Amino acid sequence: QSVLTQPPSTSGTPGQRVSISCSGDSSNIGSNPVNWYQQFPGTAPKLLIYSNNQRPSGVSDRFSGSKSGTSASLAISGLQSEDEADYYCAAWDDSLNGHWVFGGGTKVTVL
Amino acid sequence: QVQLQESGPGLVKPSQTLSLTCTVSGGSITSGSWYWSWIRQPAGKGLEWIGRMNTRGSTDYNPSLKSRVTISVDTSKNQFSLKLSSMTAADTAMYFCARESRGRFHLLYSTYYYYYMDVWGKGTTVTVSS
Repeated sequence: QSVLTQPPSTSGTPGQRVSISCSGDSSNIGSNPVNWYQQFPGTAPKLLIYSNNQRPSGVSDRFSGSKSGTSASLAISGLQSEDEADYYCAAWDDSLNGHWVFGGGTKVTVL
Repeated sequence: QVQLQESGPGLVKPSQTLSLTCTVSGGSITSGSWYWSWIRQPAGKGLEWIGRMNTRGSTDYNPSLKSRVTISVDTSKNQFSLKLSSMTAADTAMYFCARESRGRFHLLYSTYYYYYMDVWGKGTTVTVSS
């Protein structure tokens, strides 16, 4: 049971816009920025979004992040086949002396 | 650019202590305001943060693993390490090391910091079995 709640899966056709939600509480998302990671099978996660809505250099502007209250969201616009991967949200949790918490991950399938 | 590489035994017996090392190349482990983290992922499951340390000796651990985890840094070797004791089958997973970078922003008269794991090792598989 992950501290942050994500839908297990979502799908879309090429060119569509898909969104992934990440729900937490006041000790994590409500108090700290959210990061998003993309992971392909058999590889390490890759930083996709940091500090709620900032893209690292080299990340496509088709990926965008937002946060409101104790929830965050990752949007993928102009969905492409290469976007098929697992996506994880993460936030620092201030409880119990502080620790990172992750969402359970969302599998994005391009139909 | 900075690269991370995990190393250690792929097989550990139940009740033994796992020791993994992450070697940092392409930059000094001490040359920034970084934390150095360990994360694991059981096959087919999600990510679980284990803990982190900076080169000033500050550590943070996952509360659920804290009693069994020790993370240390060896600046002379540009490495950091993970020790996880009392291993069981539930600890079987891919183990990743990662660098946490820090950013900051100013709001009114205060400065706020945020962290993100921007460099990851490829991971190493650890199986717990007798």
